[in-house]
Amino acid sequence: KQEVTQIPAALSVPEGENLVLNCSFTDSAIYNLQWFRQDPGKGLTSLLLIQSSQREQTSGRLNASLDKSSGRSTLYIAASQPGDSATYLCAVAPRGGGADGLTFGKGTHLIIQP
Amino acid sequence: EAQVTQNPRYLITVTGKKLTVTCSQNMNHEYMSWYRQDPGLGLRQIYYSMNVEVTDKGDVPEGYKVSRKEKRNFPLILESPSPNQTSLYFCASSLDVRQTGQYFGPGTRLTVT
Repeated sequence: KQEVTQIPAALSVPEGENLVLNCSFTDSAIYNLQWFRQDPGKGLTSLLLIQSSQREQTSGRLNASLDKSSGRSTLYIAASQPGDSATYLCAVAPRGGGADGLTFGKGTHLIIQP
Repeated sequence: EAQVTQNPRYLITVTGKKLTVTCSQNMNHEYMSWYRQDPGLGLRQIYYSMNVEVTDKGDVPEGYKVSRKEKRNFPLILESPSPNQTSLYFCASSLDVRQTGQYFGPGTRLTVT
């Protein structure tokens, strides 16, 4: 059974710093990996999606990498801002055309100090 | 605007009183699913649907029912809610079973007393 782990569970950094969030998964048979952002009282917003054949995706100040063979992904946030404060979730979709849902990590709670 | 809507957003009810949480998407997506989110346990899938009249159990289906009579709607039914179903519920949809480009609803916070 797929397991997804996110480290650290919580992170607090001053504004302006570059930071890295980590995600690892136990089964490399994935279709894609997604990074989501969750704000308190709100739903999940998809930030980046990496297909299993890709190595990285970029959107603005965000860059996500995927190393399927080692079961790892990182989300890099450049020049962090207070508005980046949220919980970041990593999720993998199973390969093989199965309809099983995404397997989520428990998230990294990020606080950017002004 | 592409979106997934859920109603109600907040609900407090008592044990045993049947309730339905509605979910609707306007993107003509085939795949829809329900998740619950609990502290320390993360998000877990309850049920999913690959298309109209096609539904199946996820990881934690006990105590829940779903139906998919129309492509856009995927209600979650709790026939006899219990306190252990107190949770934050999310509906999600994607174009197909590969779940590329998942869209999540805003969540429904349910409290069962």
